Amino acid sequence: NAGVTQTPKFRVLKTGQSMTLLCAQDMNHEYMYWYRQDPGMGLRLIHYSVGEGTTAKGEVPDGYNVSRLKKQNFLLGLESAAPSQTSVYFCASSYRTGAYTGELFFGEGSRLTVL
Amino acid sequence: AQSVTQLDSQVPVFEEAPVELRCNYSSSVSVYLFWYVQYPNQGLQLLLKYLSGSTLVKGINGFEAEFNKSQTSFHLRKPSVHISDTAEYFCAVSPMNRDDKIIFGKGTRLHILP
Repeated sequence: NAGVTQTPKFRVLKTGQSMTLLCAQDMNHEYMYWYRQDPGMGLRLIHYSVGEGTTAKGEVPDGYNVSRLKKQNFLLGLESAAPSQTSVYFCASSYRTGAYTGELFFGEGSRLTVL
Repeated sequence: AQSVTQLDSQVPVFEEAPVELRCNYSSSVSVYLFWYVQYPNQGLQLLLKYLSGSTLVKGINGFEAEFNKSQTSFHLRKPSVHISDTAEYFCAVSPMNRDDKIIFGKGTRLHILP
């Protein structure tokens, strides 16, 4: 049971470099989310998607872009990484129709360090 | 709009003692309520959820929570904690209308003392 898979799990970047985090889910969920977790800040929503081909901004979208070309994948991009983007990133997914409750299924996280 | 307040950022408790982690929320619409647990260096996993019906909800690992609509609270309890309960616990609300975003509290770190 793969569930939600994030790659890579760890990455170190230099300021100004770009990278993409990949999230893949095999539960046929419509909704997908990207959160960042920082000490004392809890989880903050970066971007989310309610379906293939759609994305929307969350609480802290600046400096990030996303794409959802396929229902099972949700990509998070950093075009020009900054030290303030050092964080642990979590992808999550949920149902939209039928069994919707808002319960989220999380990946194991991607730890990003920007030097 | 919704908001979630976890009243304690850290809670130390002796092993085998009871514990309560507090969560209050505000919302203009009806919500589903959740507690998630995050063990060290892992992702979040569902501990328990309140959708409807009985206000006392039982979850995994002996945890339970009680939904109190009048006080807009959803406190998490365990009668006897174990060292393996060391983790961070997050309260979350999900609006039933699906239009508003799911909101998380800032988390409570549970420290189990030997």
